[in-house]
Amino acid sequence: QQQVKQSPQSLIVQKGGISIINCAYENTAFDYFPWYQQFPGKGPALLIAIRPDVSEKKEGRFTISFNKSAKQFSLHIMDSQPGDSATYFCAAAIQGAQKLVFGQGTRLTINP
Amino acid sequence: EAGVVQSPRYKIIEKKQPVAFWCNPISGHNTLYWYLQNLGQGPELLIRYENEEAVDDSQLPKDRFSAERLKGVDSTLKIQPAELGDSAVYLCASSLDYAGARDNEQFFGPGTRLTVL
Repeated sequence: QQQVKQSPQSLIVQKGGISIINCAYENTAFDYFPWYQQFPGKGPALLIAIRPDVSEKKEGRFTISFNKSAKQFSLHIMDSQPGDSATYFCAAAIQGAQKLVFGQGTRLTINP
Repeated sequence: EAGVVQSPRYKIIEKKQPVAFWCNPISGHNTLYWYLQNLGQGPELLIRYENEEAVDDSQLPKDRFSAERLKGVDSTLKIQPAELGDSAVYLCASSLDYAGARDNEQFFGPGTRLTVL
């Protein structure tokens, strides 16, 4: 009930391409869905987040698409750059974002 | 502004030894979290403090793990005795939570990588 399932586990994209990472959840009480970016040796950092009252949120090259009926959400990185190479985690929380449940992570590699 | 500070960054110990990790949150942040991150996995919450009070420690293995946040600022997480399976990265995070806030961003420190031999 508390799980968040993330796919793919790893992803290789050419520079300039679109990177897409998907997540699915079971608990319909979740109402906050952030994406975190983590570089080696660093802690996760918030990238972008969405609430279920909207179906899409865009910040620069990063877009979250949210499908409430399917209980799925995805991260799209447009014009992917080598500097985007990192591990990405989706997460979900109930009210106030205090108890985050993380997905398993996706290791993204952008080839120059 | 300084971020979340953790020390040590790396620790290697033998099994059955005790170990402690220290975290100093961002100044003014009232909520502090300790997470466990196994290799290739997402962080998992161990304990959450609101000021000095541990409000969620349901995932903390209390037989060997303990934590404290005296004076509601910095915090220490202890393992005694350590086991081989405790090898992981221990992350600390903090956030500023107040009544009515909807999204309380958690800021993570760099973590302490523990290796138990």
